[in-house]
Amino acid sequence: QQQVKQSPQSLIVQKGGISIINCAYENTAFDYFPWYQQFPGKGPALLIAIRPDVSEKKEGRFTISFNKSAKQFSLHIMDSQPGDSATYFCAASMSTDFGTGTSLTVIP
Amino acid sequence: NAGVTQTPKFRILKIGQSMTLQCTQDMNHNYMYWYRQDPGMGLKLIYYSVGAGITDKGEVPNGYNVSRSTTEDFPLRLELAAPSQTSVYFCASTPDRGHGYTFGSGTRLTVV
Repeated sequence: QQQVKQSPQSLIVQKGGISIINCAYENTAFDYFPWYQQFPGKGPALLIAIRPDVSEKKEGRFTISFNKSAKQFSLHIMDSQPGDSATYFCAASMSTDFGTGTSLTVIP
Repeated sequence: NAGVTQTPKFRILKIGQSMTLQCTQDMNHNYMYWYRQDPGMGLKLIYYSVGAGITDKGEVPNGYNVSRSTTEDFPLRLELAAPSQTSVYFCASTPDRGHGYTFGSGTRLTVV
């Protein structure tokens, strides 16, 4: 049973636009919510993560929004750039599951 | 600081052959994992370890074996390779479950 559910499967965004990827979880014991970025031919790399004591965390153009009551968290990429084109995975602590991934394409 | 090192990067096996995928980390992480990723798909857990001497099965363990004799090393053994094991294999580590994973660069395996 998938511990985290990710959507959408793919996303196409114009350069300069906002990319939004969503993730939902069930287990309220989870206390760490990371997002990973994977470029073709490379391993996933930790991009940004949040703990449930805050509702938002921002690092440069990347922001995680966390909604504890809805058991959802999302990744927002502001001013999306072609170099952001990659696959993004969400995950949750205590679970070895990853989301199914979102393939992001940013069109110049 | 090398992080997680996987060898080899590429390998072609014939059906029925065996091989060991090596994974070493130099961060003194307790938790280590093996995932496989098929083209265009997500990550599926094969085996994991919470410390030296302790291993456990993940979602897709059939056809694989692991050992964890030291904190640093977590090799994955393929016995009697099958075409269904054609995939990219990633090793990852983390100090504990409340932190992110550090992944290796992967081993691309083709079984023909």
